[in-house]
Amino acid sequence: GAVVSQHPSWVICKSGTSVKIECRSLDFQATTMFWYRQFPKQSLMLMATSNEGSKATYEQGVEKDKFLINHASLTLSTLTVTSAHPEDSSFYICSAREEGAWDTEAFFGQGTRLTVV
Amino acid sequence: QKEVEQNSGPLSVPEGAIASLNCTYSDRVSQSFFWYRQYSGKSPELIMSIYSNGDKEDGRFTAQLNKASQYVSLLIRDSQPSDSATYLCAVSTYSSASKIIFGSGTRLSIRP
Repeated sequence: GAVVSQHPSWVICKSGTSVKIECRSLDFQATTMFWYRQFPKQSLMLMATSNEGSKATYEQGVEKDKFLINHASLTLSTLTVTSAHPEDSSFYICSAREEGAWDTEAFFGQGTRLTVV
Repeated sequence: QKEVEQNSGPLSVPEGAIASLNCTYSDRVSQSFFWYRQYSGKSPELIMSIYSNGDKEDGRFTAQLNKASQYVSLLIRDSQPSDSATYLCAVSTYSSASKIIFGSGTRLSIRP
């Protein structure tokens, strides 16, 4: 299957600072990338859909000013957690679909475990 | 009503037996269906995709789709301890702008 690379795999930051997470599609072009958050023993929660060249679409209840998404190219989307707080500590996962493949599977990055202290 | 529903489990199955995982979805126009496996602390990995009614087999895995009943299932034959994981059902609908909606997952435990 296609490869999606996410970086970093884990990060610890101080409360109040910002953290950027990168998601790259390595062998395909992704018009659409998805950002999920998963708390321990809970399911994946879709935070936003990242669209290349346009604004991200955020799910209800997700603060767009806190979780900044940029999808500047067909292979890279970034999620920046601004002014992080301990309650933002979670497992963040991106996934991507190939350009034009609206009905096929999405491939996942390795995930980023964020700990805010 | 949740868009994609799964029994959270845990589902305990003896090694070598068949594990049956079920999923229902609410949007009748859903067109693409996926099963992902997620080990603890890892990101999901795709097991199967299915798009038309009936069965689709891949090794020990069989996905079954019934669009009339809005039901999709995954059978795992000859269950192995390494199959112990959370299984996520996912549905995609063109009308939702290519978004993939996940169920909450079923925890499967294979006992030796």
